[in-house]
Amino acid sequence: QSVLTQPPSVSGAPGQRVTISCTGSSSNIGAGYDVHWYQQLPGTAPKLLIYGNSNRPSGVPDRFSGSKSDTSASLAITGLQAEDEADYYCQSYDSSLSGYVFGTGTKVTVL
Amino acid sequence: QVQLVESGGGVVQPGRSLRLSCGASGFTFSNYGMHWVRQAPGKGLEWVAVIWSDGSNKYYVDSVKGRFTISRDSSKNTLYLQMNSLRAEDTAVYYCARARGQWLVGHLDYWGQGTLVTVSS
Repeated sequence: QSVLTQPPSVSGAPGQRVTISCTGSSSNIGAGYDVHWYQQLPGTAPKLLIYGNSNRPSGVPDRFSGSKSDTSASLAITGLQAEDEADYYCQSYDSSLSGYVFGTGTKVTVL
Repeated sequence: QVQLVESGGGVVQPGRSLRLSCGASGFTFSNYGMHWVRQAPGKGLEWVAVIWSDGSNKYYVDSVKGRFTISRDSSKNTLYLQMNSLRAEDTAVYYCARARGQWLVGHLDYWGQGTLVTVSS
């Protein structure tokens, strides 16, 4: 059972903006540890999408953005495209578990 | 380009052992920490273990402590995961991934394609 909670699913029409929340606690996000986001397209390995709360690796479109506040973080996708249909996971460090933790995952559907 | 290729997966009976390998290329393997992450069928990602670049530190998720051992051979650019006393709940696709950043705030910047481990009698 993950300590980072995400909504199971979000959906939007092409061109719309969607956000995915990642809710943690005082032993992970609230303790100041960075949050990172990964995109997993169907049948493929995860891919780094956002690191250090809000930084995009080279090649990731600026339609993807991340933020962090208190005990939670968010991933926003603007100008939603069909190719964005995927599962998205947040990740951080948890001091109580002394290891990395992933969020429960969110499936994004483009209507 | 960075490439990570896992191998060694398969079907194994409960209580038996299996060793996974992850061959790395396209970067200086000895300069990077490495992780194993797993994903049970239809489920989310679960971090399994990490080993530092020089092998000096290793950390594990509680559910595999005492059963799994992460190791590396920098002369072969290869990461390993020795899995003993396997259980049905260990059934998953196992990914190796490269570590970036300091341990407490780090992330995983490149991932392999994964290898499936099925624990079943």
